[in-house]
Amino acid sequence: EAGVTQSPTHLIKTRGQQATLRCSPISGHTSVYWYQQALGLGLQFLLWYDEGEERNRGNFPPRFSGRQFPNYSSELNVNALELEDSALYLCASRQGAYNEQFFGPGTRLTVL
Amino acid sequence: AQSVTQPDIHITVSEGASLELRCNYSYGATPYLFWYVQSPGQGLQLLLKYFSGDTLVQGIKGFEAEFKRSQSSFNLRKPSVHWSDAAEYFCAVVPKGNTPLVFGKGTRLSVIA
Repeated sequence: EAGVTQSPTHLIKTRGQQATLRCSPISGHTSVYWYQQALGLGLQFLLWYDEGEERNRGNFPPRFSGRQFPNYSSELNVNALELEDSALYLCASRQGAYNEQFFGPGTRLTVL
Repeated sequence: AQSVTQPDIHITVSEGASLELRCNYSYGATPYLFWYVQSPGQGLQLLLKYFSGDTLVQGIKGFEAEFKRSQSSFNLRKPSVHWSDAAEYFCAVVPKGNTPLVFGKGTRLSVIA
């Protein structure tokens, strides 16, 4: 069974640009979570999608947005990039009722 | 506020020695509890989880964790550490339901010969 996949592996952008990150969940999983892992800030929840709807978002500005497609894959968009957006962005998909989340390898975003 | 505390930022152990990584949580009720491991530049791998029942849970790679309700703790243990265990370990909790995981700050494990 394939795990959670994310693309691209690395992404380099300049300040003010937009970044798009993609995630494919494990087959059969309908929930996708996005987390940001920035140096010194730990793992912080960004967004949660389930059945195509945004269910919850963390304490991030509106320039962080996303969507979930009918096949349950998801996209994270970051507009007007700032230097502090440089981080590893992790996607996870959830199995069952106990919120067991499985993570992808992440996308390393570097903002110059 | 709901929180997860991993008191040890960095731990160094000798190969073959035993290991215990601490995790304490602050929640009104017993949440679901998880331990994840992250190798450098990698995503997170689930080591083990606790939902209910037996308070000693076994995971992958020879790890185990014990849930202690009275201490609000979920400490991770391994009887004999291997050099390949060097990584960052994260404790995570989620209140019962489908809300996002709340992570501790992580404990970096170094293994020396």
